Order: sequence, then C-alpha cells, then structure tokens
Amino acid sequence: KQEVTQIPAALSVPEGENLVLNCSFTDSAIYNLQWFRQDPGKGLTSLLLIQSSQREQTSGRLNASLDKSSGRSTLYIAASQPGDSATYLCAVSHTGTASKLTFGTGTRLQVTL
Amino acid sequence: GAGVSQSPRYKVAKRGQDVALRCDPISGHVSLFWYQQALGQGPEFLTYFQNEAQLDKSGLPSDRFFAERPEGSVSTLKIQRTQQEDSAVYLCASSPRQGTDTQYFGPGTRLTVL
Repeated sequence: KQEVTQIPAALSVPEGENLVLNCSFTDSAIYNLQWFRQDPGKGLTSLLLIQSSQREQTSGRLNASLDKSSGRSTLYIAASQPGDSATYLCAVSHTGTASKLTFGTGTRLQVTL
Repeated sequence: GAGVSQSPRYKVAKRGQDVALRCDPISGHVSLFWYQQALGQGPEFLTYFQNEAQLDKSGLPSDRFFAERPEGSVSTLKIQRTQQEDSAVYLCASSPRQGTDTQYFGPGTRLTVL
C-alpha cells in the first residue's frame, strides 16, 4: 500500500526566506505527483503536477522536483510572503490506478512579517 | 468560469441519521472524485466516476456509504446511519478527461455527527 509522508509537519519562517518542503512515498511505481495548497475552510488548489518521466516543474516562485527512484519530491518556495501561509499537500497517483490520489498529511506553513 | 461547488457547506447530524452531500463538478468534466479528510490529515480517496460509471469505489469505508452520478454530471454521496467517526470534511473533485488529469477541488462539506 502506498504511503506518503511529509516533513516537517509545521514550519514558521520570516518573510523573504527561501524554504523547502519534503515529500516521500514508499512505492516508486507512480504515474504523477502533485503539490496542492489548502487554505483554512477551503478546498485544494493544484500548484504543480510532475509526470513520472519528468524531474521538475516550475511556476513563478515555486519549483518542484521529483526523484522517483528514491521516492522523494521537494517543493521549493523562493522569497516567501505572508500570503504563502497555508497547508501544502503532496499527492501521488499510482500506475494502474491512476485516477486515485494518495495524499500526505501536509506541511502547515506560516510566513511571518 | 464556475469551479466545483458543494452543498451544503456544513452539516450537523445526530448519530443514526442519513445525510446526502451534493457535488456540482465543472461543466463538461468527465471524471469526478470523492475524498474524506479527517481533522489534521490529508484527504483519503473514497470513489471515482467516469461519466455516470462508478469505476472505483475501493475507498468507501463501509456499506453505509453510497455514491451516485446518474446523468454523468451532479453527484451525491449518501451516508446512512451516520456515526461519530464519519465526522470529517468531504471533498469533491473533477477533471476534464480521464483521472490522470489535474483534479480541481470544491470547498468541501464539513460533516459533524453528534
């Protein structure tokens, strides 16, 4: 059974810092990996999707990398802002059951002024 | 355009009551998903539809949970004889084609069972 782990569980940084969120998964037979953002009381917003054949994806200040063989992904946020405060979730879809996402428990990020 | 909508946003039920949660996906989206998110946890997959066909219901925790999408658009998740452990946020997501596309999530329905 696929298990997805995210560390740290919570993180507080001052505005302007660069930061890295980590995601690991136990079964490397994934179809793709997605990073989502969740704000309190709201649904999930997709940030980046990396296909299993890709190594990284970039969108603005966000960069996500994928090392499928080692079962790891990182989300890099450059020049953090208070508006980045949210919970960040990674999720993998598995080869053969590509429709189903398995989520980690998330990293709760707070960016302070 | 309109995103995924869910209703009600909040539902309080007494233990033993039946509840029905509604999801309106983005118009034209083929795939629809239901997830359950307990407090402090990531969402967990419940079931998946492609048009009106329920292709995967492996995540439904018991036979008290039932989902349908009779016309391939709106979906309803029904929970019979609710129990306290059913308290969670129920998230609906849709994607344009088959399930490997990016999924677009609704705001969720927070169910509290007393």
